[in-house]
Amino acid sequence: AQSVTQPDIHITVSEGASLELRCNYSYGATPYLFWYVQSPGQGLQLLLKYFSGDTLVQGIKGFEAEFKRSQSSFNLRKPSVHWSDAAEYFCAVVTRMIKAAGNKLTFGGGTRVLVKP
Amino acid sequence: GAGVSQSPRYKVAKRGQDVALRCDPISGHVSLFWYQQALGQGPEFLTYFQNEAQLDKSGLPSDRFFAERPEGSVSTLKIQRTQQEDSAVYLCASSLASGAGSGRGDTQYFGPGTRLTVL
Repeated sequence: AQSVTQPDIHITVSEGASLELRCNYSYGATPYLFWYVQSPGQGLQLLLKYFSGDTLVQGIKGFEAEFKRSQSSFNLRKPSVHWSDAAEYFCAVVTRMIKAAGNKLTFGGGTRVLVKP
Repeated sequence: GAGVSQSPRYKVAKRGQDVALRCDPISGHVSLFWYQQALGQGPEFLTYFQNEAQLDKSGLPSDRFFAERPEGSVSTLKIQRTQQEDSAVYLCASSLASGAGSGRGDTQYFGPGTRLTVL
């Protein structure tokens, strides 16, 4: 079965410092990978996605992620965090439905990012 | 442009009551998904519609959960005889494509969710 693991439940980072969030997936075929951000009381917003091509993907808000097939990882990075980056971040993989060609997402447990001034 | 909207944003129900949660997807989006997000966890898939057809309901936790999308636009998730373990945020998402082939990379746009609390 497909699964996504985010090993870090909480991360605290100082404003202006770099940030890296880890994501490991388990999926038999070529994965379609996503990072979403969820601010309090808000829905999930897509930061970036990967499904082919260059393994370094650029997203919105200055985020990037690197797909490493050999490590089954898709880690998210930002060189310099802002206070507004405090939120919960979810890694997800598209799993293929058996009965229909849909694209339901399987999510990791999330990483909550706290930003210190 | 309008995004995905959900109503109500908050719902408190007494155990045993029936509730109905509404989702208005982005106009023209073919695919609609419902997810359940328990406190401190990632969202989990409940069910999927392609237009008005419910093609996957494998994630619905029990037969107390029922979803419909009769005209291929607005969707309603109904929970009968609510239990305390149903307390969660219910998220709706829509995407433009059907998801076939390259559509697997199609972006899902999420609504703000409905927070259901069952007392």
